[in-house]
Amino acid sequence: TQLLEQSPQFLSIQEGENLTVYCNSSSVFSSLQWYRQEPGEGPVLLVTVVTGGEVKKLKRLTFQFGDARKDSSLHITAAQPGDTGLYLCAGLFSGTYKYIFGTGTRLKVLA
Amino acid sequence: AAGVIQSPRHLIKEKRETATLKCYPIPRHDTVYWYQQGPGQDPQFLISFYEKMQSDKGSIPDRFSAQQFSDYHSELNMSSLELGDSALYFCASSLFGSREGNEQYFGPGTRLTVT
Repeated sequence: TQLLEQSPQFLSIQEGENLTVYCNSSSVFSSLQWYRQEPGEGPVLLVTVVTGGEVKKLKRLTFQFGDARKDSSLHITAAQPGDTGLYLCAGLFSGTYKYIFGTGTRLKVLA
Repeated sequence: AAGVIQSPRHLIKEKRETATLKCYPIPRHDTVYWYQQGPGQDPQFLISFYEKMQSDKGSIPDRFSAQQFSDYHSELNMSSLELGDSALYFCASSLFGSREGNEQYFGPGTRLTVT
């Protein structure tokens, strides 16, 4: 059973467009992380959100953690070809050392 | 800044052979995680160690074992390799109890090919 669902699974957009990726679960997480992964390389940590309702910004990327700490979103403004990659969310359950990864969103930004 | 180091980066083995993957965490990190990522799939958690003790276990086959040593590096031992074990194996490390909820940082991965 996949505990973390990401949507959309695939997204192809033109440079300059905005997009939002969603990460949803029925479980509560003590923290949630977003990663970007290039083919054949390790996931690179983008941000960690810990507090319900928390919003974090990283240049053109805005991350939000749901009030109930069950869901999160990643919004990219004015996407660029360099944003192309696999975006993964990963949630940490309270009292565990085990991160559960979402199903991933493959983003392609066309010049 | 120092990152997670994994070795080897690429490994080719035959069926039924054994393989050992090594992971050197970021200095001062005390927790190590191992993940397996098949083609087109998200990383699947295998096992984690905190302060040299196994802290959590995921979908790690019985043919695999792992440990964390006194210098905090970790090794993943894989025996009786099968074709289906071909994947990218990632190690990640974190500092338990850090302010940002145990952020984990990934290594570059070891690509294992079983022929």
